[in-house]
Amino acid sequence: AQSVTQLGSHVSVSEGALVLLRCNYSSSVPPYLFWYVQYPNQGLQLLLKYTSAATLVKGINGFEAEFKKSETSFHLTKPSAHMSDAAEYFCAVSNGGSYIPTFGRGTSLIVHP
Amino acid sequence: DVKVTQSSRYLVKRTGEKVFLECVQDMDHENMFWYRQDPGLGLRLIYFSYDVKMKEKGDIPEGYSVSREKKERFSLILESASTNQTSMYLCASSLKSYEQYFGPGTRLTVT
Repeated sequence: AQSVTQLGSHVSVSEGALVLLRCNYSSSVPPYLFWYVQYPNQGLQLLLKYTSAATLVKGINGFEAEFKKSETSFHLTKPSAHMSDAAEYFCAVSNGGSYIPTFGRGTSLIVHP
Repeated sequence: DVKVTQSSRYLVKRTGEKVFLECVQDMDHENMFWYRQDPGLGLRLIYFSYDVKMKEKGDIPEGYSVSREKKERFSLILESASTNQTSMYLCASSLKSYEQYFGPGTRLTVT
C-alpha cells in the first residue's frame, strides 16, 4: 500500500522568499516519487522525480527536492519565489509493483509581491 | 516531447446526455488514465487501461465507462450526464510505473 500526505492545503510566501512544500509518503517497497505543478486551467506537468538515484533531485524552474528515507519525506524547495511560481503543486508516489500513482491532495502556492 | 491531447477544453452538456471525452497520446505508452479533479478533493482516478481493450476501475467509476480500441486513444463516456459530474477531467499516460504525462484537461459543465 502507498499513500501521500501533503501538509498544508495553502502556502503563502513573499516574492524572493524561500518556498517549502511538504510531502510525506508511505510505501511498502522503495518508491518512485514525483512533484507535479498545475497552473490555472491547465493539466499537470512534471517538476521533478526521484527514482532511486541521487537523493537530491533538481527539477525545472529552480525547484529541487530531497528524498529522506528515514523521515519518509520528499519536500519541495526553491530558494527564491517568483510570482510565476503561483500554482497548485502535487506530490505523488508509485512503486515498481504498481503503475498507478497515488497523489496527494495538492498544495496551493500563493506568492505575494 | 510527449504530447497528450484532449478533444475539448470546455464542454457544456445537458442532464441526461451521453458525453464522450477523448484523449490521444503520441508516445506509445501502455498505460492511460482518466481522473476527475474537484476543489479540495485532489485527483480521483475514474478508470485506467494498461493495454488495448483492457480496462480497470479506479476509485470512482460509477456513472462512467471507457473504451480503448487503439493504443494511443482512451475515451471516457458519461452514459447519462448528471449535474454532479460537472468537473475538470484530466487524461494521462505513462510508461510502466514512471511519471505520468497529462493532457490540458476538459472542464465539463452539466446543466
